[in-house]
Amino acid sequence: NAGVTQTPKFRVLKTGQSMTLLCAQDMNHEYMYWYRQDPGMGLRLIHYSVGEGTTAKGEVPDGYNVSRLKKQNFLLGLESAAPSQTSVYFCASSRGTSAVREQFFGPGTRLTVL
Amino acid sequence: SQKIEQNSEALNIQEGKTATLTCNYTNYSPAYLQWYRQDPGRGPVFLLLIRENEKEKRKERLKVTFDTTLKQSLFHITASQPADSATYLCALDIRRNSGYSTLTFGKGTMLLVSP
Repeated sequence: NAGVTQTPKFRVLKTGQSMTLLCAQDMNHEYMYWYRQDPGMGLRLIHYSVGEGTTAKGEVPDGYNVSRLKKQNFLLGLESAAPSQTSVYFCASSRGTSAVREQFFGPGTRLTVL
Repeated sequence: SQKIEQNSEALNIQEGKTATLTCNYTNYSPAYLQWYRQDPGRGPVFLLLIRENEKEKRKERLKVTFDTTLKQSLFHITASQPADSATYLCALDIRRNSGYSTLTFGKGTMLLVSP
């Protein structure tokens, strides 16, 4: 039982390049989330999904797209990376609405955009 | 505007003492509040959840209080140990336009327990 895993762990991009971050969970959770964490800003929600095939915007969605084609996977895409997207990205999942259920976090992906 | 405030300065305490961390919020009416622990280079780990109709919740050496009148939660670690050194995050549920609730996190307070 691996919990929540994220791929890759580290990545360096040049401005304008694209990439996809992969999140996988093996707990059969309905809900999945993508956050970014920056010094002094705390965790901020980018996008979330309440089930396979559904996604919604969080607090800071601009510059990111997501897809949830399979229940266990949640992908975060950067179409044209910018230095402002340098951050640590965390994926999380939960069984139900986050108000009543704990969230399980992955180990994070450290992304640097030059 | 909505705000969640946690002490930005690190809290330094001696081993064996009780650590008390504060989470204040404005312009929220959360039904639930959660506390997480985060170690350097790792994702947050859930510790406790407290509902608005609960005044206090305990789990081993941890205690959380929730005062919806003061709009404040206190997080206590009794008999603290160096292994308790970490950043502690509070999180409130917020109902989005989609109708679903998600969590909004405070920036966290770093706790340092010295031997």
